[in-house]
Order: sequence, then C-alpha cells, then structure tokens
Amino acid sequence: SQQGEEDPQALSIQEGENATMNCSYKTSINNLQWYRQNSGRGLVHLILIRSNEREKHSGRLRVTLDTSKKSSSLLITASRAADTASYFCATARPGNAGNMLTFGGGTRLMVKP
Amino acid sequence: DTGVSQNPRHKITKRGQNVTFRCDPISEHNRLYWYRQTLGQGPEFLTYFQNEAQLEKSRLLSDRFSAERPKGSFSTLEIQRTEQGDSAMYLCASKSSGIHLGEQFFGPGTRLTVL
Repeated sequence: SQQGEEDPQALSIQEGENATMNCSYKTSINNLQWYRQNSGRGLVHLILIRSNEREKHSGRLRVTLDTSKKSSSLLITASRAADTASYFCATARPGNAGNMLTFGGGTRLMVKP
Repeated sequence: DTGVSQNPRHKITKRGQNVTFRCDPISEHNRLYWYRQTLGQGPEFLTYFQNEAQLEKSRLLSDRFSAERPKGSFSTLEIQRTEQGDSAMYLCASKSSGIHLGEQFFGPGTRLTVL
C-alpha cells in the first residue's frame, strides 16, 4: 500500500508560473525524498529532506517538511515546459536499514509553453 | 553510460507464460531494489538485495515471483504463470549502502503487458 497521498493529482500551469505540490504521509519517517518521472520512464531523484529539517532548496526547487502534520510540499519556481512530468514523494522509515522507499500516488504536472 | 540498465524495455506475453527481467545496477552499488508501478500510481516496493543476499520481500511478491542476485552484481526478476494483473512497469534501483541517507538511482523500467 502507498504511504501517502499527493495533492493535487494533476496540475496545469503556464510557463513561468510557480507549481506547488503537496504530499501527506502516515507514519514516522527518517527522510522524505522527491522524484520526477517523465512519461513512461524511470525516476530521477530531485531532493531529500531529513526528518529534522524544515526546509531545503536546490536550484528552482524548494521543499518544506512539517513532521507534526506529516506533510511536505515541493515548490518549483519559474516553471519551464521541460518540467512537465509526474512528481512523487517517497518516504524512508526510521530504523529502516534497507532504506526501501514508500511512494505516494504522484502529481502530474503539465507546463504549457 | 554508467546508470542502471534494465532489459528488456518492453515485454508482451500471454497469460500463463513465464517471464524474466534483468537489472544491471551501478557497479559500485551494493544495494539493489525492485519496485512495481501500475498505471497512474506510484512505485511499490517488491524486494531488495544487499550484495547477493535478499534481505526483504514485500507481501506483494507472491510465490510466483522470484528474484536473484547471484554474484552481487546484476539481478533477475522472474514471474511464473503470468496473470493479467501482473501487467505493470517493473523498476529496478540501486544505491550504495555506504551512504546511509541518499537517493536511489532508477533504471528505465521494463513494461510488462500480459494478454
């Protein structure tokens, strides 16, 4: 079963606008990661935030984590058509020696040129 | 290209046939993971290896599924007596256990269609 849910399930914006995606999860975590998946292809890691961190930046990406609400958000600023993809959050549980990931259902982002 | 590779990329089979997929991880990565992804959903964990040892299996991995990593390098995932419900994308990922927290590197996946 999937750990979390992502909201919205689909998002359509114009190039240059910001895109915000939210992720909620159910259990305690060690870290939370965001991945991107282009249509029918493998996943690419975007950013990792540890459970003791509240915010992290990487280029045009900003991730926040609120462990009290068991939620995270991914903000993509100044979006580009090339950002069109599905975005998934994934969590790793504490004490999870194998570090296997539990993914949410994803947000499908379309950026119109 | 030193990324994770998977073969074949696509497999169409008839119900009841056996299929085998291969994953070649990044060479220095000793952890290897298999996930399954159905259309419109996120990936779901199936199993993982540390070197040649299979350390955890999901309840999704029925007895028709078997995975091996005989020499701690490439891995195979076999599905016996395939069912239509097995149609999905099968993703392989690898990671170095020396980095406790860190990304998993995913292959392009094998898309299985069971007719």
